[in-house]
Amino acid sequence: DGGITQSPKYLFRKEGQNVTLSCEQNLNHDAMYWYRQDPGQGLRLIYYSQIVNDFQKGDIAEGYSVSREKKESFPLTVTSAQKNPTAFYLCASSIQAGVVSNEQFFGPGTRLTVL
Amino acid sequence: AQKVTQAQTEISVVEKEDVTLDCVYETRDTTYYLFWYKQPPSGELVFLIRRNSFDEQNEISGRYSWNFQKSTSSFNFTITASQVVDSAVYFCALSETNYGGSQGNLIFGKGTKLSVKP
Repeated sequence: DGGITQSPKYLFRKEGQNVTLSCEQNLNHDAMYWYRQDPGQGLRLIYYSQIVNDFQKGDIAEGYSVSREKKESFPLTVTSAQKNPTAFYLCASSIQAGVVSNEQFFGPGTRLTVL
Repeated sequence: AQKVTQAQTEISVVEKEDVTLDCVYETRDTTYYLFWYKQPPSGELVFLIRRNSFDEQNEISGRYSWNFQKSTSSFNFTITASQVVDSAVYFCALSETNYGGSQGNLIFGKGTKLSVKP
């Protein structure tokens, strides 16, 4: 089955620790995205990648970092510089970047809680 | 600037009632796409529909229907005879068209939480 997997589903972190969220897709999509969801805030774009070895900051990139070494994988690191990291994180992909008609496909999400 | 507004934060209905979720968007472009997604309690967003700016025909899919009106910049979503399984957060989104690096990115509204009670 093609799709997007995110792991882990739940993640707990102590303050001051970096943590990496995994996102893998087997849809052969070029573009991948990371969103943060807070109650009442909708989805806010953190980073996106249009192609391997390239990525761009979204609206709320501060305190986060990403890499795109493989087409299938787009891990997100939440660093200690992120002041309020507790949130629900969603990864998405679309077949091709820069095309306004393309829908995005979403993974099941990772809920991060900072203790 | 492009923007999507979903003014209804939460809606609660009783099963079998009809319910309409509102979506108003802002864009200066003549060519754009609008989307609706459903987020059930499990968390994963599910794509429901895509509509381009040149197609103002209403769309019906089973109990779901969408009304797109360019004159009022609205793309409303109606569920007929709602069911408990329709309980979810629904997001409306607009495709970004700045012809720069972010073209094709989605601009989401804040979502409407629908609760359908038995």
